[in-house]
Amino acid sequence: QKEVEQDPGPLSVPEGAIVSLNCTYSNSAFQYFMWYRQYSRKGPELLMYTYSSGNKEDGRFTAQVDKSSKYISLFIRDSQPSDSATYLCAMGGSSGGSYIPTFGRGTSLIVHP
Amino acid sequence: EAQVTQNPRYLITVTGKKLTVTCSQNMNHEYMSWYRQDPGLGLRQIYYSMNVEVTDKGDVPEGYKVSRKEKRNFPLILESPSPNQTSLYFCASSFSGNTEAFFGQGTRLTVV
Repeated sequence: QKEVEQDPGPLSVPEGAIVSLNCTYSNSAFQYFMWYRQYSRKGPELLMYTYSSGNKEDGRFTAQVDKSSKYISLFIRDSQPSDSATYLCAMGGSSGGSYIPTFGRGTSLIVHP
Repeated sequence: EAQVTQNPRYLITVTGKKLTVTCSQNMNHEYMSWYRQDPGLGLRQIYYSMNVEVTDKGDVPEGYKVSRKEKRNFPLILESPSPNQTSLYFCASSFSGNTEAFFGQGTRLTVV
């Protein structure tokens, strides 16, 4: 079993839909949880950063972390065609101030007009 | 502008011919790393460096070398490339290992 599981999709939704992207993980030491967005032929860019459990909102994006279930989610409200990209979750723990982040495989999202 | 610059963007080479992919960052970050991205496998870390002259293996280090002689540069060296190293490579830098990583534009390598 991989440390981080993420459904690769593709996930196809109509414009305006609420999108839910998810990752599960097995390492209970993970404390930092990130979501990156990657457009075609580009490097990933950080979208959301969350420490420990809870919710974080930024505009149309909401990140949720449930450490008890080892489950994280990214919600996109009022999705737009410009949201079409691959979304990667990443997470890691803290050991002496450094860690190797573990990435999910990425979920391909397609928002059609 | 804060950025991570990789060169070249595209490279086609033959098996066994040594190559170097350069990576440079202008943010004075201490932490730099190399990833490869393959369909269905996602991003996998090859090597990382926490500071000058400090490097360590990631998940898939076999067949690769790195060096960190200066803070801003972190080249990836393939001494004897093989076809299974055909992939999309990303360099990344961050203030520390658990903060936002800034990625380069990627290098698409094909080994024939």
